[in-house]
Amino acid sequence: DAGVIQSPRHEVTEMGQEVTLRCKPISGHDYLFWYRQTMMRGLELLIYFNNNVPIDDSGMPEDRFSAKMPNASFSTLKIQPSEPRDSAVYFCASSLLRIQGWHEQFFGPGTRLTVL
Amino acid sequence: SQKIEQNSEALNIQEGKTATLTCNYTNYSPAYLQWYRQDPGRGPVFLLLIRENEKEKRKERLKVTFDTTLKQSLFHITASQPADSATYLCALPPTYGNNRLAFGKGNQVVVIP
Repeated sequence: DAGVIQSPRHEVTEMGQEVTLRCKPISGHDYLFWYRQTMMRGLELLIYFNNNVPIDDSGMPEDRFSAKMPNASFSTLKIQPSEPRDSAVYFCASSLLRIQGWHEQFFGPGTRLTVL
Repeated sequence: SQKIEQNSEALNIQEGKTATLTCNYTNYSPAYLQWYRQDPGRGPVFLLLIRENEKEKRKERLKVTFDTTLKQSLFHITASQPADSATYLCALPPTYGNNRLAFGKGNQVVVIP
């Protein structure tokens, strides 16, 4: 398996523009997570899905952020309109819940977003 | 409020020595705790999980302890090598039985040849 795939790897955009980040999870995984990482705040969970259904979006900063998972092999995180404070590395991760009740998360390479 | 604390200062250590990192948490009662490794420009990679009823877990040169009374986990890298240089993050579920993870900010390790 190729692992979690994210695109683009780098995105530079201007304030006010729409940004769409994409993620393909590992085949067979039933959980998908979107994180944002900055030096100040570390790795923050934005939203996660179970079997394509959003379970917890309490980490989504505001209405400018939205996420979808139309099927088991694809998810998007959209920011509209983007602002300079959204500049960060965005990670997608997927996992498979084990019978024992825990799961290890597999992270993608991340998308480095810069909003000018 | 809930907090996960890791040392923000990088740990510089001589090759061959044991590196020890600390993860302290408050207002959590985790069923388990995980450790991840993150290299520059890459996503975190899972290393180890330790359950609340386990005192110690080992994997090759890595050892993790978990003290639920102290609310602390220690992560040891024995016989450290330059290839161990990375940032190490601890993570735990914010509520019992929850399937999400909260991460510490990570602690950088630099192994000096």
